[in-house]
Amino acid sequence: QVQLQQPGAELVRPGASVKLSCKASGYSFTSYWMNWVKQRPGQGLEWIGMIHPSDSETRLNQKFKDKATLTVDKSSSTAYMQLSSPTSEDSAVYYCARSGGTGDWFAYWGQGTLVTVSA
Amino acid sequence: EIVLTQSPAITAASLGQKVTITCSASSSVSYMHWYQQKSGTSPKPWIYEISKLASGVPARFSGSGSGTSYSLTISSMEAEDAAIYYCQQWNYPLITFGAGTKLELK
Repeated sequence: QVQLQQPGAELVRPGASVKLSCKASGYSFTSYWMNWVKQRPGQGLEWIGMIHPSDSETRLNQKFKDKATLTVDKSSSTAYMQLSSPTSEDSAVYYCARSGGTGDWFAYWGQGTLVTVSA
Repeated sequence: EIVLTQSPAITAASLGQKVTITCSASSSVSYMHWYQQKSGTSPKPWIYEISKLASGVPARFSGSGSGTSYSLTISSMEAEDAAIYYCQQWNYPLITFGAGTKLELK
């Protein structure tokens, strides 16, 4: 079965970048877009961007163009998102989510990584 | 950017009651998708491509709509349906979500 494994939590110092991981299993990693979604405490969902593991083509929400960098490691079927210069506004749960067949919806979600930005 | 406006923001229904949640898009979209999220858990795909039920979703749920107006309907409310429901669209190059509708059991 499809699984997306994410670490449960990350504590980050303000200004120090953090790289979140999402290990995929149970399907062909290079066949589907991988998305990242942000959810601040008590708030709604915000799409950050997507990456296609086959060629690393990336589509980013322009709001996050200076904040998020998406990469993949095909050898380990793992997607990554690096957050640069985090501030308290970046404290949130970050989900990876695999696209469905048509590419424009999210068929599978990871459990999310709670990122806390604190000194 | 296409803005999705969900209504109501919060609603409560009794067991067996019919529930309808609407999602209005600021411009026409081809597809609408819905997710269910319960407290402390990841969102779950619920309805995709307007009306297709995701795996495991009870048949009392349905989706409909076109253009700028879409809806999710529960034919008969059950306790397990209490959750937040989000609509989502992709109009290249941006994916957006609605703000969510919180459905409570009355």
